[in-house]
Amino acid sequence: SQTIHQWPATLVQPVGSPLSLECTVEGTSNPNLYWYRQAAGRGLQLLFYSVGIGQISSEVPQNLSASRPQDRQFILSSKKLLLSDSGFYLCAWRRLHSGNTIYFGEGSWLTVV
Amino acid sequence: GIQVEQSPPDLILQEGANSTLRCNFSDSVNNLQWFHQNPWGQLINLFYIPSGTKQNGRLSATTVATERYSLLYISSSQTTDSGVYFCAAQNSGGYQKVTFGTGTKLQVIP
Repeated sequence: SQTIHQWPATLVQPVGSPLSLECTVEGTSNPNLYWYRQAAGRGLQLLFYSVGIGQISSEVPQNLSASRPQDRQFILSSKKLLLSDSGFYLCAWRRLHSGNTIYFGEGSWLTVV
Repeated sequence: GIQVEQSPPDLILQEGANSTLRCNFSDSVNNLQWFHQNPWGQLINLFYIPSGTKQNGRLSATTVATERYSLLYISSSQTTDSGVYFCAAQNSGGYQKVTFGTGTKLQVIP
């Protein structure tokens, strides 16, 4: 069966510090991968999605970036965090072709202080 | 891109009551899902339903793709049903984006 893991689960970072959130999927190959952010407990905003290694589509211009160094690994990064980057970050995966269920990781709570 | 709207934004129910949540989308879809987000933030898949009707226990969902809406029915609500319900859609244009609605926050009181 397929599983998705993301870490760390929670982190508190000072303004201006770097960020790295990691997500891995097991039990499948060539998945579509997604990063979402949820602020203030409502509304999931799509940040990035990837259909293959090194292929990243950005939905929202901001100081975040994403990378996919391996087929089942998706990383969300920032060089310098802003207060507005605080929120709940969710990684998700889906099989390559359209029409399949999207599955979410456990999420990462980020507080920028 | 596709727009997804949910109503109502907030809902308070007495335990045992029934409810209907609505999801409208602006374009034809080939992927429509309902999720429940529990108080710990975990997103639980409820239904994958781009068209037709499905039932799972006290929950059921119907999507009328030609009229661009989906409904989630909760019968005999329980306090454990509390949380935020999201629908998410992907349009039929072949893009891989999955867009979420703004959610319905449900509170079931004893």
